[in-house]
Amino acid sequence: QITLKESGPTLVKPTQTLTLTCTFSGFSLSTNGVGVGWIRQPPGKALEWLAFLYWNDEKRYSPSLKTRLTITKDTSKNQVVLTMTNMDPVDTATYYCAHKRNDWKAAFDYWGQGTLITVSS
Amino acid sequence: QSALTQPASVSGSPGQSITISCTGTSSDVGGYNYVSWYQQHPGKAPKLMIYEVTNRPSGVSNRFSGSKSGNTASLTISGLQAEDEADYYCSSYTRSNTYVFGTGTKVTVL
Repeated sequence: QITLKESGPTLVKPTQTLTLTCTFSGFSLSTNGVGVGWIRQPPGKALEWLAFLYWNDEKRYSPSLKTRLTITKDTSKNQVVLTMTNMDPVDTATYYCAHKRNDWKAAFDYWGQGTLITVSS
Repeated sequence: QSALTQPASVSGSPGQSITISCTGTSSDVGGYNYVSWYQQHPGKAPKLMIYEVTNRPSGVSNRFSGSKSGNTASLTISGLQAEDEADYYCSSYTRSNTYVFGTGTKVTVL
């Protein structure tokens, strides 16, 4: 059974760096084709794709946020970490991590419950 | 990359069929058969309903079907039920090896 859970601070001040951790179980990020992505959703707004990490450590970032994002993995801990620098109130959103299975090209079949991050001074 | 364009809202009566469109470009929707659709109920995480344009994951009702023509993908819900009332998002792989989501569609069951 695949599960993912996001964790991190609930409140971040403007200009600070946000660090989010996705802790997962039920799959290995060493398996060929598997990946984990981060997606966010501001209150009342649409989903926005942020970043993706493949099993081979290949990384992809949203072009509009590329300079602010870093995604890494700790395979031994079954974790994927997303950092976002220079946080702003417009970054207030629920942040989700999600799993991509090895035999599907571009779909997230399991999602975490999401964590609401508020950016405010 | 710009978000894929979806209608803000679609409605239908129980038992009817509705279709949600998702319009992109030749760099995303039109260039790959890697469109997926997600259902999201209020306060819940998205749920995958369709992957690779037409495929349903195990456990998803066959009332949900997907298709694509050119730069526009579509999700059809047949035999509309009250439980189908939710927000729906499309997503596509892109030429830049990234992903992009749609603007979202609120489905209302009248």
